[in-house]
This record gives sequence, structure tokens and C-alpha cells, in this order.
Amino acid sequence: QSVVTQPPSASGTPGQRVTISCSGSSSNIGSNAVNWYQHLPGTAPKLLISTDKQRPSGVPARFSGSRSGTSASLAISGLQSEDEADYYCAAWDDSLNGVVFGGGTKLTVL
Amino acid sequence: EVQLVESGGGLVQPGGSLRLSCAASGFTFSTYWMHWVRQTPGKGLVWVSRINSDGTGTSYADSVKGRFTISRDTAENALYLQMHDLRAEDTAVYYCARSGDNLLPHYWGQGTLVTVSS
Repeated sequence: QSVVTQPPSASGTPGQRVTISCSGSSSNIGSNAVNWYQHLPGTAPKLLISTDKQRPSGVPARFSGSRSGTSASLAISGLQSEDEADYYCAAWDDSLNGVVFGGGTKLTVL
Repeated sequence: EVQLVESGGGLVQPGGSLRLSCAASGFTFSTYWMHWVRQTPGKGLVWVSRINSDGTGTSYADSVKGRFTISRDTAENALYLQMHDLRAEDTAVYYCARSGDNLLPHYWGQGTLVTVSS
């Protein structure tokens, strides 16, 4: 069981806005940057959001991130069918001296 | 273009050893931290280990500490993961990842499958 918690699933219809939460503690999200990744089975995970809210080049503006206290969230607006994937948050954990990933959220586009 | 290509996965018996490699190109390898992350079948991503840019600092997940060793060869632009005393629960796709400015994984390889079974 991960020390960072995400809902196992989320869903929305095309065009909708969905948010995925990521809850941690003072040793990880509470004091360190959060990244978000998109992962399709059989492919390399892709960085979506870096350092809480920065979008790497090529990532659509529909994806946005935020962090407050010991929680972070990923928002996807204008949901599209190709957004159906697994989404993970990650942060450095000072107590574990390593990276902690959330358990992942499977997003379904209805 | 950043490229990371893992190799060395395969079928190994419990208690056996395996060495994974990751060939890096498209960036100055000696500048970045590198990570190994794995995904057990049907489960999520789990961080395994990291090594700093000059190879002098490493850390490991508790589940692999004492059994796995991460290393890097700047001359070869390569990252390694030496795995000993492998267990069934080590069965996973292992990804090599390059860090970004915040030291977290940024670019990822396609992964290599390790299966531990008799």
C-alpha cells in the first residue's frame, strides 16, 4: 500500500472536466514538488505535470496541476477519448529518502 | 531527443541474479540523476532505486535494499541494476528513467520484463 493515496478510478464524458487527487504527508507532498504521469499499458510513462503545475513542452493546456499542503491534484478539462489511461502522482519523500508514487488512478472516458 | 533503452530482462529462477542495463542517449548523461521504477503485473508504478549524477549517492526502496545495486558508467552512457536473490514478487516491468530539474523521473524508457519463476 502506497504512502501517497489516489482514488483507484475516475470517469467522465467527452468535454467534461475531471480532477484526480493525490494525498500524502509532510515528508513528501507537504514539502516537495509533485509530478504527474500518464501511463498507457505497454508504453513508457509520460510526464504530464512537473513541479506541481508546470506543463512540459507538448503537453496540452487541458492538463493542469496544483498542490496545497499535503495534497495535490490533476485537472483535465475538455476530456477526450485519448485521455483514457492510468495517472500517477509522485514526490520525493524525505523520510524514505526516495520517490513515492501514488497507487494510480484509472481514468475512463464514457 | 532523449532515448532510454532497457535490456537484460528475462526469466530467472527464485534466488537467481540478473543485471539490467539502460542505454542513454540524446543528453549529457553525467548531468542527471537516474532512476529505476517497476510495475508489477496489474499493479501501479513503484520506485526501486536512484543514483545521483556522479554516482556517489544511491538510495533504494526497502523491498530491494541489500539485494539490488544501482550503478552507472559515464563513459558508456549506461545505467545498471544488479539484482540478486530474486523473488517472485520482483516480477515486473522495470523502467529506466532520467530525472528532470526537480530530480524526479522525467523521461522514461519502454521497460524490460523480469519474470521470477521456477
